[in-house]
Amino acid sequence: ETGVTQSPTHLIKTRGQQVTLRCSSQSGHNTVSWYQQALGQGPQFIFQYYREEENGRGNFPPRFSGLQFPNYSSELNVNALELDDSALYLCASSLRGREVIDGYTFGSGTRLTVV
Amino acid sequence: QKEVEQNSGPLSVPEGAIASLNCTYSDRGSQSFFWYRQYSGKSPELIMSIYSNGDKEDGRFTAQLNKASQYVSLLIRDSQPSDSATYLCAVNIYERRGSYIPTFGRGTSLIVHP
Repeated sequence: ETGVTQSPTHLIKTRGQQVTLRCSSQSGHNTVSWYQQALGQGPQFIFQYYREEENGRGNFPPRFSGLQFPNYSSELNVNALELDDSALYLCASSLRGREVIDGYTFGSGTRLTVV
Repeated sequence: QKEVEQNSGPLSVPEGAIASLNCTYSDRGSQSFFWYRQYSGKSPELIMSIYSNGDKEDGRFTAQLNKASQYVSLLIRDSQPSDSATYLCAVNIYERRGSYIPTFGRGTSLIVHP
């Protein structure tokens, strides 16, 4: 059984650029969520996908968008990067559907730095 | 008002002591509660989940839930230096599209000193 895999692990981008982060869910997990964690803060919910449909979204602007694919892997896209987007981006998968009843398995995260 | 609140700490305890970490939440409809541990530079890992009022024990960890008072706590017995980490409380909060989404507090930093 594989865990949650994220790529890349580190990324440096320039303000105004676009970035795509990728996530492969744990085997058998059909729900994937993305969180942003700034230094010294708790993870902030961006959005959640269940069976390829977005079923929850946090207070993030539309330039944050995502996809979930039939194999339950996922992408997070951020357009027009701003300095405040610098953070650890966490992908988390769970097993049982729309409500995360059993808790998450997190990937190791992507550290994004915007300069 | 923040939906999930934790004292950021740091909480410093001597080795072998009991560490007590607390969390309050705003959504009375919440039914699922979690504690995660996050070491510096790493991603969170699930320690405990709790769904019913009362205590739930797993090894040196005990989660306590009181829905009437809207708080959940984590006790770590016989604390070890390896327990030094940030502990994140997460609560499934109702989201407008009808889903319950895990919402995290900012975490409490725990330092266990020898």
